[in-house]
Amino acid sequence: QVQLVESGGGVVQPGRSLRLSCTGSGFTFRAYALHWVRQAPGKGLEWVALISYDGNSEYYADSVNGRFTISRDNSKNTLYLQVNSLRPEDTAVYYCARVGGATYHHGMDVWGQGTTVTVSS
Amino acid sequence: IQMTQSPSTLSASLGDRVTISCRASQSIDGWLAWYQQKPGKAPKLLIDKASTLQSGVPLRFSGSGFGTEFTLTISSLQPDDFATYYCQQYNSYLEMSFGGGTKVEIK
Repeated sequence: QVQLVESGGGVVQPGRSLRLSCTGSGFTFRAYALHWVRQAPGKGLEWVALISYDGNSEYYADSVNGRFTISRDNSKNTLYLQVNSLRPEDTAVYYCARVGGATYHHGMDVWGQGTTVTVSS
Repeated sequence: IQMTQSPSTLSASLGDRVTISCRASQSIDGWLAWYQQKPGKAPKLLIDKASTLQSGVPLRFSGSGFGTEFTLTISSLQPDDFATYYCQQYNSYLEMSFGGGTKVEIK
């Protein structure tokens, strides 16, 4: 079945880095743009970043621009989020999600189960 | 683009008609999605392009609106519908954004 599975979360000290991964299966991974979305404990959803189907275009929320990098390896059906200079306010569940169509003008139709990042000393 | 949902919490009974509003700070045409999220779970896409019901989503859900004002309606609230609902604009892929959420509780 169509699936996204995140990994790589954990407990990390402020200022450190982490790389999150998201592996897709059951669909043509290279044909879809992908998002990262996060949710702080007890809070709402926050869009983080978007990458085009071929990895040539990237877009970021202001809150993470310059610290986070989205990338993908279509040969491995895997999406990444490199998170640097982590702050306590980056503590959240991080979801990857698929754009539900051929352009960016679609909702997110497939979501992973999320991976938890906790930034604490 | 700022997305404002109202109310933030809604108390309703089984069988009630429920309406959730979402307002954009500028026009987003019809580029709006609605999601349902239950505790500890990932969000689920209910409605795309303001009014297109996703496959498998019950017909009691409907969406409407264009420009800056949008509405999600549940025609007859069922036990499985108690959850938090989010709107999301994707008019500007340079900065996509979600509304703050509406929690639908049992009255």
